[in-house]
Amino acid sequence: QKEVEQNSGPLSVPEGAIASLNCTYSDRGSQSFFWYRQYSGKSPELIMFIYSNGDKEDGRFTAQLNKASQYVSLLIRDSQPSDSATYLCAPSSNDYKLSFGAGTTVTVRA
Amino acid sequence: SQTIHQWPATLVQPVGSPLSLECTVEGTSNPNLYWYRQAAGRGLQLLFYSVGIGQISSEVPQNLSASRPQDRQFILSSKKLLLSDSGFYLCAWSVLLNEQFFGPGTRLTVL
Repeated sequence: QKEVEQNSGPLSVPEGAIASLNCTYSDRGSQSFFWYRQYSGKSPELIMFIYSNGDKEDGRFTAQLNKASQYVSLLIRDSQPSDSATYLCAPSSNDYKLSFGAGTTVTVRA
Repeated sequence: SQTIHQWPATLVQPVGSPLSLECTVEGTSNPNLYWYRQAAGRGLQLLFYSVGIGQISSEVPQNLSASRPQDRQFILSSKKLLLSDSGFYLCAWSVLLNEQFFGPGTRLTVL
């Protein structure tokens, strides 16, 4: 069974701070890694993905991947109240499927 | 651009009644299609996926079934709903690199 572990939170950060979200996965065959944001009552939306070890930046978001440690993280810089949501980590092997973690809830306080 | 539709948006059904949820995708051909369920406060559980017309893979044995009668249409069904079938049902599509894009979802309450 492919397990994906995320701290459930809530992670509370002040506006303008950096939010750091962590994710570990059990399937060593995972090749690609996706981060989704889900607002309460809404469907998940893809915010970024990463395939290679190291960092990938997209606007205020940075994904970090370490396949040897089976660890992927998401940093949100200059956090805004609109970033308050649940963030889902989803590794994927080459089998058309994603394995979702339960998500980390982030609250950005003004 | 691609668009994914799901209907209905909300549904309240009695235990033992049938279910049919529909998902359609526009703006792409031969997508992979997925049905997920999300129980309240829980993660996403993959129910079914399809890589082509008539091809359905089931991830979790239960009283639900899926069908793909057309390239961009995916249907989730049940003959008799259980209380445990309540949840947020999400359809998703992908074509390349496993990037999945979700529809707006159907919130099902079984009473």
